[in-house]
Amino acid sequence: DAKTTQPPSMDCAEGRAANLPCNHSTISGNEYVYWYRQIHSQGPQYIIHGLKNNETNEMASLIITEDRKSSTLILPHATLRDTAVYYCIVREFGSSNTGKLIFGQGTTLQVKP
Amino acid sequence: DAGVIQSPRHEVTEMGQEVTLRCKPISGHDYLFWYRQTMMRGLELLIYFNNNVPIDDSGMPEDRFSAKMPNASFSTLKIQPSEPRDSAVYFCASRRGAEQETQYFGPGTRLLVL
Repeated sequence: DAKTTQPPSMDCAEGRAANLPCNHSTISGNEYVYWYRQIHSQGPQYIIHGLKNNETNEMASLIITEDRKSSTLILPHATLRDTAVYYCIVREFGSSNTGKLIFGQGTTLQVKP
Repeated sequence: DAGVIQSPRHEVTEMGQEVTLRCKPISGHDYLFWYRQTMMRGLELLIYFNNNVPIDDSGMPEDRFSAKMPNASFSTLKIQPSEPRDSAVYFCASRRGAEQETQYFGPGTRLLVL
């Protein structure tokens, strides 16, 4: 699976959009981009995933660049409850490691009042 | 659905003792994963099962660790004998079927080995 690079920490004002970047310059054509988050003392929680098209669900939007070498997770109206560590993961389907999610260090997002 | 259930939520034990962590996956999910999280190493995959069969145990740190899944609704992770460096939060997760389906994590077991 391709390696991802994320900033270690970010701040965001409550009510504003939080834009979390992720670089995955070695991503291959059949690798998906996943985002999970981990609120303090809880298990990781799935947010969204995509291949090449932008995706949106009730939690967030995922914007993937045309060359797929980077992506941005957007929380449109951040609340204090969105304070968490956000993990960007790239994973290939159809390979021998079909079950694995490899978590990096993630980005600690602090939403401030 | 009740989600992934783990027990105990907290465990304090002394070095050398046997520790057993338990997990009940979401009903209908055929993949089960065990992870360990520490400050130093982050979140690591230890082992995962598909249809109760261990598929990849390359993340299991050493022979002191063992995992079983006797049926579709129950799995255990055992550490014998336990050591202080085993202190961590252990998460269980489950997933249904296709590869692109998401993993759902349990609340974790906080283990402290004195």
